[in-house]
Amino acid sequence: GAGVSQSPRYKVAKRGQDVALRCDPISGHVSLFWYQQALGQGPEFLTYFQNEAQLDKSGLPSDRFFAERPEGSVSTLKIQRTQQEDSAVYLCASSLVVASGSHEQYFGPGTRLTVT
Amino acid sequence: AQSVTQLDSHVSVSEGTPVLLRCNYSSSYSPSLFWYVQHPNKGLQLLLKYTSAATLVKGINGFEAEFKKSETSFHLTKPSAHMSDAAEYFCVVSEGYSTLTFGKGTMLLVSP
Repeated sequence: GAGVSQSPRYKVAKRGQDVALRCDPISGHVSLFWYQQALGQGPEFLTYFQNEAQLDKSGLPSDRFFAERPEGSVSTLKIQRTQQEDSAVYLCASSLVVASGSHEQYFGPGTRLTVT
Repeated sequence: AQSVTQLDSHVSVSEGTPVLLRCNYSSSYSPSLFWYVQHPNKGLQLLLKYTSAATLVKGINGFEAEFKKSETSFHLTKPSAHMSDAAEYFCVVSEGYSTLTFGKGTMLLVSP
């Protein structure tokens, strides 16, 4: 079926605004990951879901960042009171099985967030 | 803790010549290692992965990589570059269940 999709593809926010980024994983994929990719850098892990359970949120940079996956499929990453340093591409990835490190993660095209 | 160092931020080759993208890793356990490619405005695509089977791993589009534990390296090679190979390449390490840890990336430039 279709790959991982993300919306919006581009988002411009004024500093202080809240934003919500959506990820639709591949149907049936158990694991879902969010990454942040700053300009000129590799993606960095933010958080991981197994079905609806958020098992690891150690990469979230501050309490302004919040992610959810209430029904174990679509996920939303919310950033409150955006700051300029939040400007980055936010990538979502899904994996068929419970994450075991060796299984491929399938990435979406990303949402490019620009905070002005 | 796991980490990855990509030794070159940019590599330039001519079409038809070999490609070598260098990667060193650090891991406390037996890691899984990956190479991903990112074309402009497109999602990351898996090129190949090593998961403790054969040390020489073949991937898509003619790429391959060799896992060398003694050197903690996982360099990516291709015998003959094509213009369509121009993209950014990421070396990635993972331990156990763990999430992926990416290198900073190597931009591959291919000239005619």
